[in-house]
Amino acid sequence: GNSVTQMEGPVTLSEEAFLTINCTYTATGYPSLFWYVQYPGEGLQLLLKATKADDKGSNKGFEATYRKETTSFHLEKGSVQVSDSAVYFCALRVNTGFQKLVFGTGTRLLVSP
Amino acid sequence: NAGVTQTPKFRVLKTGQSMTLLCAQDMNHEYMYWYRQDPGMGLRLIHYSVGEGTTAKGEVPDGYNVSRLKKQNFLLGLESAAPSQTSVYFCASSYHQTPTDTQYFGPGTRLTVL
Repeated sequence: GNSVTQMEGPVTLSEEAFLTINCTYTATGYPSLFWYVQYPGEGLQLLLKATKADDKGSNKGFEATYRKETTSFHLEKGSVQVSDSAVYFCALRVNTGFQKLVFGTGTRLLVSP
Repeated sequence: NAGVTQTPKFRVLKTGQSMTLLCAQDMNHEYMYWYRQDPGMGLRLIHYSVGEGTTAKGEVPDGYNVSRLKKQNFLLGLESAAPSQTSVYFCASSYHQTPTDTQYFGPGTRLTVL
C-alpha cells in the first residue's frame, strides 16, 4: 500500500541551526509529495510540494527534493527561527483513482532562542 | 475571504450522545474532506465529498455520517459517540482533484468523549 514514514520527534534546535526532517515513502506509481505545517492551535497549511522526480519544492526558506531513487522527500532549512516551531507532516498523493492524501505521523520541531 | 471554518472549536460529549460538526468554505471548492488526527497516527480520512449532494467513505468511516446539502457546507455527524472518537477533527477543501492540487484546512475541532 501507500505510506509515509517520518522521523520521530520532537526535534529540538537552537535558533539559526540547520534543520533536516527525514521523510521516506512507499507508493504505487509516481506520487506527488507534500510538506504541510501545523502551527500551535491551527489547521494544516501547505508548505511546499513536488510533483515529479528531481523536482525541488521551496517556500519560506524550506526546501525538499523529490528523490525517486531513494523514495525520499527530506525537509531542510538552513537557519531555523523560533517562529518555525510547529508540527511538520510529510504527505503523498497517488495518481490513480481517488487521489487521497496519505500523511505521515508528523514531526514536532521546537526552536529555542 | 474566511477560507475554511469549523464549528465548534471544542466539545465534550458523554458516551452515547450525538453531535454534528459543521465545516464551511467560501472558496467555491468542489471537494471537501473530513479527517481525524490522533497522536502518533497522522491524519486519517473519514469521509469526503466530490460535489454537492455526493459523499463517499474514506479510511475510517465507521461511527460517522456526513452530508453535503450545499456546496459550501460539509457536515460530520456522530450518532452515538464513543470514547474512541476522542480526537481532533479537521475539515479540508480543494478545487480540483489533480495530483498537485492544494487542500485547504480548517482550524480543527477538539472533541472529547467521556
